[in-house]
Amino acid sequence: DTAVSQTPKYLVTQMGNDKSIKCEQNLGHDTMYWYKQDSKKFLKIMFSYNNKELIINETVPNRFSPKSPDKAHLNLHINSLELGDSAVYFCASSQYLGEKLFFGSGTQLSVL
Amino acid sequence: EDKVVQSPLSLVVHEGDTVTLNCSYEVTNFRSLLWYKQEKKAPTFLFMLTSSGIEKKSGRLSSILDKKELFSILNITATQTGDSAVYLCAVEIDSGAGSYQLTFGKGTKLSVIP
Repeated sequence: DTAVSQTPKYLVTQMGNDKSIKCEQNLGHDTMYWYKQDSKKFLKIMFSYNNKELIINETVPNRFSPKSPDKAHLNLHINSLELGDSAVYFCASSQYLGEKLFFGSGTQLSVL
Repeated sequence: EDKVVQSPLSLVVHEGDTVTLNCSYEVTNFRSLLWYKQEKKAPTFLFMLTSSGIEKKSGRLSSILDKKELFSILNITATQTGDSAVYLCAVEIDSGAGSYQLTFGKGTKLSVIP
């Protein structure tokens, strides 16, 4: 009965590759997010979608492209991976923007 | 299954009150416990706790971890309306080979009224 699930949990890949991380929520929430956690444990918002529409797009390289096929899914596709992309990425959802966040357990991306 | 439970789920206090937020956990391969303050769209990092019994302080906020009893508390003294937020507890779990996962609690919604 996982509320927010993201896959894969770990992703090890070479520089220059393209990869995707998937996220699904079964809470019936309208809003989904992608966050990047840095080495200081700060969570930086990357994107937010509300009912499949992009509503927040922070300063993120164009190589990152979110896709929301329906309001229960928000996938993150990353082109031409770079070493600096190595981090833990978290998906989250909330009923509305600004409401309590429910997080997935994270995807640890390592770019070699 | 790893579990992080926060209590209470919501709390309403008056300005000047002191509040204590609780976070208990049952996980394998505990690495650290993190507290975040969520206002609007993004959580703000507050504390990271790895050792039992050592209090971390930042202004009116403080937190302590008890690894024997598997819980942490977050204290806020002399609360202000700006403290109104959702406070999230998360436990880092060591997944081996230098990797980790986070399990979040459901958060405590704190409302401070003037």
